[in-house]
Amino acid sequence: NAGVTQTPKFRILKIGQSMTLQCTQDMNHNYMYWYRQDPGMGLKLIYYSVGAGITDKGEVPNGYNVSRSTTEDFPLRLELAAPSQTSVYFCASTHRTGINYGYTFGSGTRLTVV
Amino acid sequence: DAKTTQPTSMDCAEGRAANLPCNHSTISGNEYVYWYRQIHSQGPQYIIHGLKNNETNEMASLIITEDRKSSTLILPHATLRDTAVYYCIVRGGGNEKLTFGTGTRLTIIP
Repeated sequence: NAGVTQTPKFRILKIGQSMTLQCTQDMNHNYMYWYRQDPGMGLKLIYYSVGAGITDKGEVPNGYNVSRSTTEDFPLRLELAAPSQTSVYFCASTHRTGINYGYTFGSGTRLTVV
Repeated sequence: DAKTTQPTSMDCAEGRAANLPCNHSTISGNEYVYWYRQIHSQGPQYIIHGLKNNETNEMASLIITEDRKSSTLILPHATLRDTAVYYCIVRGGGNEKLTFGTGTRLTIIP
């Protein structure tokens, strides 16, 4: 029972490079989320998805793109990396918006842009 | 979602009960109180949630005041592994998003 799996765990990018942060869950959860966490701060929502083919912006979507072609996968794309995107990125999922379901988080991807 | 207010940091002696307060004075009738914790930059971990009744599970107890304007998370016998940042979050049914504040940094003292 893997839960939410994020890859890679660490990455260093140069300014202007692009990359995809991978997130997959094996719990058949409908809802998936991407958060970023800057040092000493709480988590901020980047994008979320309520099902395959459906995505929506969160609080800080600029500089990112997402897709949801399957229930299991929710990749986050950075097209032109900037130093301001240096952060720890967390993916999360939940069964549905019903209030009796908690979120399951991945272990995070630590990204540094230099 | 209603905003929450938590102390920035707290200490608790190992083996004692840790009581973490949260104010949510603007909570509405259909909003639940959730608690998560984050241990040393790991992904947040769900602890417990409740609407108006007190709740208990294997990890913690949640006490919600009768007017629902505040709540307390209780870790009954704190261990060093409970050192973490604890987030109190208010969320209504049908809202897809979980909004985090800055939380309370709890340090368990040996």
